[in-house]
Amino acid sequence: DSGVTQTPKHLITATGQRVTLRCSPRSGDLSVYWYQQSLDQGLQFLIHYYNGEERAKGNILERFSAQQFPDLHSELNLSSLELGDSALYFCASSPGTLGRPLHFGNGTRLTVT
Amino acid sequence: AQTVTQSQPEMSVQEAETVTLSCTYDTSENNYYLFWYKQPPSRQMILVIRQEAYKQQNATENRFSVNFQKAAKSFSLKISDSQLGDTAMYFCAFMSNSGYALNFGKGTSLLVTP
Repeated sequence: DSGVTQTPKHLITATGQRVTLRCSPRSGDLSVYWYQQSLDQGLQFLIHYYNGEERAKGNILERFSAQQFPDLHSELNLSSLELGDSALYFCASSPGTLGRPLHFGNGTRLTVT
Repeated sequence: AQTVTQSQPEMSVQEAETVTLSCTYDTSENNYYLFWYKQPPSRQMILVIRQEAYKQQNATENRFSVNFQKAAKSFSLKISDSQLGDTAMYFCAFMSNSGYALNFGKGTSLLVTP
């Protein structure tokens, strides 16, 4: 158990809809990262938050947004969903010190129909 | 952006044998961090091993060891005494000295057979 909690485990929704994925980091970790894993794209970095502030953006679409709250949990919002957004979405956390490994949650499997 | 290349999409090894997974990366930095993660069929992402670029000594964790060749920008993972539970997708990942996120390779699918 990595200590990173993601909910829900599975989500099935229709095109055009909006969903929110939730992540609680390991105790003591200040950084939260979101990754998307689809079959043909591997693990793609979406966004990084540190102690409530956005630190880095990767290949995150404009339809996607995220935030980290004062209690350090994070939410990833996906809107105007398309079939191609179907993927496994991972949250990871770290202490926020350079070089420390990321610890991943079990992921949320999103299926857009 | 730094690129990470895993040139072996699939590999197979017999139980108790040794296997080496390859990874190369591209960077102009002198200091950085490298990782191997394992993703079994359960889809969890599990840290296997970590290497700091400024350390000459290759990292080792039980049956897992790396061969880090900084000049060649190569970071291979050796699994000794392979076990059925080692069957998984293995990802090589790079962390820049100026960033905190991991940049992953496409992965190598390893099958351990009896």
